Amino acid sequence: SQQGEEDPQALSIQEGENATMNCSYKTSINNLQWYRQNSGRGLVHLILIRSNEREKHSGRLRVTLDTSKKSSSLLITASRAADTASYFCATKDGSGAGSYQLTFGKGTKLSVIP
Amino acid sequence: NAGVTQTPKFRVLKTGQSMTLLCAQDMNHEYMYWYRQDPGMGLRLIHYSVGEGTTAKGEVPDGYNVSRLKKQNFLLGLESAAPSQTSVYFCASSPVSREQYFGPGTRLTVT
Repeated sequence: SQQGEEDPQALSIQEGENATMNCSYKTSINNLQWYRQNSGRGLVHLILIRSNEREKHSGRLRVTLDTSKKSSSLLITASRAADTASYFCATKDGSGAGSYQLTFGKGTKLSVIP
Repeated sequence: NAGVTQTPKFRVLKTGQSMTLLCAQDMNHEYMYWYRQDPGMGLRLIHYSVGEGTTAKGEVPDGYNVSRLKKQNFLLGLESAAPSQTSVYFCASSPVSREQYFGPGTRLTVT
């Protein structure tokens, strides 16, 4: 079953603009992670935010987590053509059951136009 | 370090044939996973392993078997391939309860 659901499904922006992607989930989590997938490649881990954290930064990436709304957002600032990829959120169950697993959303496809 | 590698990269099978996909990691990770990725479906967990000699079912385990005889290897088997198993298969590994490292994928077509 899908836990995280990304929004929008697709996003097209100009180089230099900011890109914001959202993720909603249904049950309690231990942590939430964001991954990037370039076309035809495997996923690459971007950032992990724990359930007791509200915001995290890594370079041009900013992730927020609102556990009361069961949602997270990924902001990419000053986007580049090389940021063109699909972005997935993944949640780690907080209940103990299935705690080894990550559950992935369907992804947001970001296109950055030069 | 090679990270996570997968063999083969591409394969075409006829319905009913069998095959094994090999995943290897050189990061000494405890956990390993097999996912399938289908258009519009995201990644779905097939099986996973939390240590050498242990395996467990994920979200979509039917039609697949796995083995983890060595810590660095995780094998995914299809005993009798079906067209519904046409997909891209990804292996991943992780240290205990942390981010996952993915292989490049195996594109499988079952005709």
